[in-house]
Amino acid sequence: DAGVIQSPRHEVTEMGQEVTLRCKPISGHNSLFWYRQTMMRGLELLIYFNNNVPIDDSGMPEDRFSAKMPNASFSTLKIQPSEPRDSAVYFCASGSTVNNSPLHFGNGTRLTVT
Amino acid sequence: GESVGLHLPTLSVQEGDNSIINCAYSNSASDYFIWYKQESGKGPQFIIDIRSNMDKRQGQRVTVLLNKTVKHLSLQIAATQPGDSAVYFCAALGGGNYQLIWGAGTKLIIKP
Repeated sequence: DAGVIQSPRHEVTEMGQEVTLRCKPISGHNSLFWYRQTMMRGLELLIYFNNNVPIDDSGMPEDRFSAKMPNASFSTLKIQPSEPRDSAVYFCASGSTVNNSPLHFGNGTRLTVT
Repeated sequence: GESVGLHLPTLSVQEGDNSIINCAYSNSASDYFIWYKQESGKGPQFIIDIRSNMDKRQGQRVTVLLNKTVKHLSLQIAATQPGDSAVYFCAALGGGNYQLIWGAGTKLIIKP
């Protein structure tokens, strides 16, 4: 199993640009989480999908952030327009609510907004 | 004024010794606990989990102990190796909630 796959690994962009982060969860997993990690605030949950449906997006900081999960094998997190304070490592994690498996994380996308 | 970043507790251990990393949780409804290891530049990696109907679980070189009375969790790593250097997070789930509650993390440093 390749695990959770995120792309790109690194993204450097200028303030105001649109950023799209991508995630391929582990096959067979039905829950997907987007997290953000910074030194200041640690790991923060942004949004949770179950069976491709957004269940809780209360962690999404602003309307500039949006996430989609068009099918069970793909999700995107979009920031438009990006701001320097969005600089962080963004992690995608997947799990199974069927057999209560622990979350498996991708290696993250390190976003730098200048 | 200036805001202060998260201060990660640090544990320094001699190579070959055993490491014990502690974690306290607050929600008595938590019934599932996980330890993750995060190496630099990588995502958190699952190490071991335990459910509240157990008080001890062993894996390869790792043991998790759960004390529900005082809401305390610990991770023991036997014969610590340089590859064990990482930040270790505990996380708790329960009370009908899907959201993991994360500890702040402990940075484990291995002295040669």
